[in-house]
Amino acid sequence: EPEVTQTPSHQVTQMGQEVILRCVPISNHLYFYWYRQILGQKVEFLVSFYNNEISEKSEIFDDQFSVERPDGSNFTLKIRSTKLEDSAMYFCASSEQGTTNYGYTFGSGTRLTVV
Amino acid sequence: DQQVKQNSPSLSVQEGRISILNCDYTNSMFDYFLWYKKYPAEGPTFLISISSIKDKNEDGRFTVFLNKSAKHLSLHIVPSQPGDSAVYFCAASVTDSWGKLQFGAGTQVVVTP
Repeated sequence: EPEVTQTPSHQVTQMGQEVILRCVPISNHLYFYWYRQILGQKVEFLVSFYNNEISEKSEIFDDQFSVERPDGSNFTLKIRSTKLEDSAMYFCASSEQGTTNYGYTFGSGTRLTVV
Repeated sequence: DQQVKQNSPSLSVQEGRISILNCDYTNSMFDYFLWYKKYPAEGPTFLISISSIKDKNEDGRFTVFLNKSAKHLSLHIVPSQPGDSAVYFCAASVTDSWGKLQFGAGTQVVVTP
């Protein structure tokens, strides 16, 4: 079964450093998403991306965050200057259609620890 | 942000019995609802969904019921199996919201032999 692949599975970084989280969505999917889950809290929407543009973003997705599809297969989330509160599990997801009706396929996540 | 609430953090059920998970929402604009299942160290896995124009959707052992007037939905799993032990998330969206899902806090289900 096709899957969304995320690397690395765990990233430790120092506060203030830049991190890039990588995702390879399912090959025929056109819509891409990032979500995060801070330990003990809900899964939260960060951003949706389609046709090389951000479609929607949440209040969490401020200027420190950016997304990119640098080639035909990767989808990345960059955090420019990490803060302690950015420590969370980050999930990438993709879907064929842009509505939620089809239930996205999520990756296994990247656990980001900011120290 | 408490737009989607799962008030039961955990549920224990015997193998073969019915598991009933509940979810409430406050935003009347939500028109699509989904249930996800999550194992440790894995991402959420889509289980079943329901549109607001329906009140029931069934897929094998999983049935989702929607009561729009009460802003309440539930997931029934019958019969429950040990492999169903996981965290179950309710999620809701507005169709034109470009993929923004609002998740509940999750319910940990443990199916005992």
